[in-house]
Amino acid sequence: QQQVKQSPQSLIVQKGGISIINCAYENTAFDYFPWYQQFPGKGPALLIAIRPDVSEKKEGRFTISFNKSAKQFSLHIMDSQPGDSATYFCAASTASGGSYIPTFGRGTSLIVHP
Amino acid sequence: NAGVTQTPKFRVLKTGQSMTLLCAQDMNHEYMYWYRQDPGMGLRLIHYSVGEGTTAKGEVPDGYNVSRLKKQNFLLGLESAAPSQTSVYFCASSFVLGTSIYEQYFGPGTRLTVT
Repeated sequence: QQQVKQSPQSLIVQKGGISIINCAYENTAFDYFPWYQQFPGKGPALLIAIRPDVSEKKEGRFTISFNKSAKQFSLHIMDSQPGDSATYFCAASTASGGSYIPTFGRGTSLIVHP
Repeated sequence: NAGVTQTPKFRVLKTGQSMTLLCAQDMNHEYMYWYRQDPGMGLRLIHYSVGEGTTAKGEVPDGYNVSRLKKQNFLLGLESAAPSQTSVYFCASSFVLGTSIYEQYFGPGTRLTVT
């Protein structure tokens, strides 16, 4: 059972455009929603994260939008740049109930054309 | 701080051979994880540990064993490698504060090919 569903699987955007990646989750106990960025040949690294007490978090060109009632969250990359080309993973986790396992989406391969 | 390091970076095994992947972290994190990454499958959890001396199975544990004898190290073993274990393996660590898990720090990965 896939607890975090991520879409699209791949995304091609022109330089300067907006990239949008969506994730949906099922477990209402999740209380931490990070996005990781992975460049080819490297390990994933935290890009931005949000907790469910806020609906939006912005860091530079990257924004997470969070909809608790719909159990969805999304990553928006404004003014997308070729250097943003990478694989992006959403994740969700909670430590309540003794569970310490973050659940990952399957990833989105983003290509930004110059 | 080196963060999370993995040894080796690359390895080629023949079917039936054994090997151990080493993960080390210098952030004093309690929690450590081993993932495998395959095309289109995302990150799949193999085993994890919530503290020294404790380990637990993840989503895809078959064919792998782990040990956490020291807090800073988490070892992943393949006793009899199979071609299906060809993958990129990532180690990660994190800490928990109260009831919240914080970000995971990932190592650079080990690319394993089993022929």
